[in-house]
Amino acid sequence: EVQLVESGGDLVQPGGSLRLSCAASGFSFSSYGMTWVRQAPGKGLEWVSSISGSGGSTHYADSVKGRFTISRDNSKNTLYLQMNSLRAEDTAVYYCAKVQSAAGTDFWGQGTLVTVSS
Amino acid sequence: QPVLTQSSSASASLGSSVKITCTLASGHSGYIIAWHHQQPGKAPRYLMKLEGSGSFNKGSGVPDRFSGSGSGADRYLTISNLQSEDEADYYCETWDTKVRVFGGGTKLTVL
Repeated sequence: EVQLVESGGDLVQPGGSLRLSCAASGFSFSSYGMTWVRQAPGKGLEWVSSISGSGGSTHYADSVKGRFTISRDNSKNTLYLQMNSLRAEDTAVYYCAKVQSAAGTDFWGQGTLVTVSS
Repeated sequence: QPVLTQSSSASASLGSSVKITCTLASGHSGYIIAWHHQQPGKAPRYLMKLEGSGSFNKGSGVPDRFSGSGSGADRYLTISNLQSEDEADYYCETWDTKVRVFGGGTKLTVL
């Protein structure tokens, strides 16, 4: 059974940093791209960042480019999102999700809440 | 980069059918899309992928009541025999080599 469990969400002050983790199980982690998607309160889904199975290719939304870094440790079956210079508009539930090539984001975690506020 | 447009809301009666639309921007009509739904207070769930030809493949455990159709720019998610648990937000998604894009979502109300 595929499972994605996010952790690391917290209340952080503007300008602060946070690292999210996503523990994966139930599939061959290194064989799949992974992605982070966020959802601000009462809003729709917003893609944040993606990474290839090997970790050699990464992409970012313009809204987080230069501030967020996606990475993965295939030996630990874990995905990460390092978030720096956080802003109030980064407040959201952050979902980690598995990407099936040519099929879309085919499995979602339960999400972790990041609140940026003073 | 691709852009997806969805109507903000839809409604239909219990036991009836509803068709939700996702429109790809000009120049991207051949893209594959995926449909997801998100019940209130829950994480999104993958429903299916829908190719430019109109063929679709559903995710594991997705009821037969859900189907996809449409070719070209307009793609559809049809839900038959609506149940109360189908009341949710529905999102389409597409992607290219560098970005992933979600539509703004359609809030479905089951009357």
